Amino acid sequence: EDQVTQSPEALRLQEGESSSLNCSYTVSGLRGLFWYRQDPGKGPEFLFTLYSAGEEKEKERLKATLTKKESFLHITAPKPEDSATYLCAVQEAGANSKLTFGKGITLSVRP
Amino acid sequence: GAVVSQHPSRVICKSGTSVKIECRSLDFQATTMFWYRQFPKQSLMLMATSNEGSKATYEQGVEKDKFLINHASLTLSTLTVTSAHPEDSSFYICSAGPGNRFGTQYFGPGTRLTVL
Repeated sequence: EDQVTQSPEALRLQEGESSSLNCSYTVSGLRGLFWYRQDPGKGPEFLFTLYSAGEEKEKERLKATLTKKESFLHITAPKPEDSATYLCAVQEAGANSKLTFGKGITLSVRP
Repeated sequence: GAVVSQHPSRVICKSGTSVKIECRSLDFQATTMFWYRQFPKQSLMLMATSNEGSKATYEQGVEKDKFLINHASLTLSTLTVTSAHPEDSSFYICSAGPGNRFGTQYFGPGTRLTVL
């Protein structure tokens, strides 16, 4: 059973059409949830870290929120340059510090 | 911000040769670094955790003798793919964070390995 599930797998939006990307997780204790953006052929670029339910963070057109079971990445009035794969990862509480990634959501924004 | 670099960005080698990839934290020290591989259109798969001054911790199914990791300083970890074969061709990415083991991890730009 996957610990981190992202949906939808792919999303196509028209420029200016706001939407949300979902990341649901099943871990016994959450140390942190991370959102990254990855462009083709490049390493993931850090976007947000969320630590507790109710927490929200914003950066330009992006806003990340966290509940006890899932996180949303809201994209407001997206532009073509927002096209990328968005990765969600969780870090469990405990001695193991590794990140567990979801499969990612490929976002395409048409002009 | 926290910057992680990798070298080389791209390497092509013949089957049977060894390839070394470097991962550096440029503006912070990292006692722990992580190595991932990523196949086309797939997510990141953790290969191993690199610990400064001690042995690396490998994920299940990753061959220790094939993927040698050395973390000799607080800013440098290396991954050596020994006796590379075409099935080792992949995108290799490292990460590290100012909080060391916990907290936000920052990723390098990745190394594209092609084994002929």
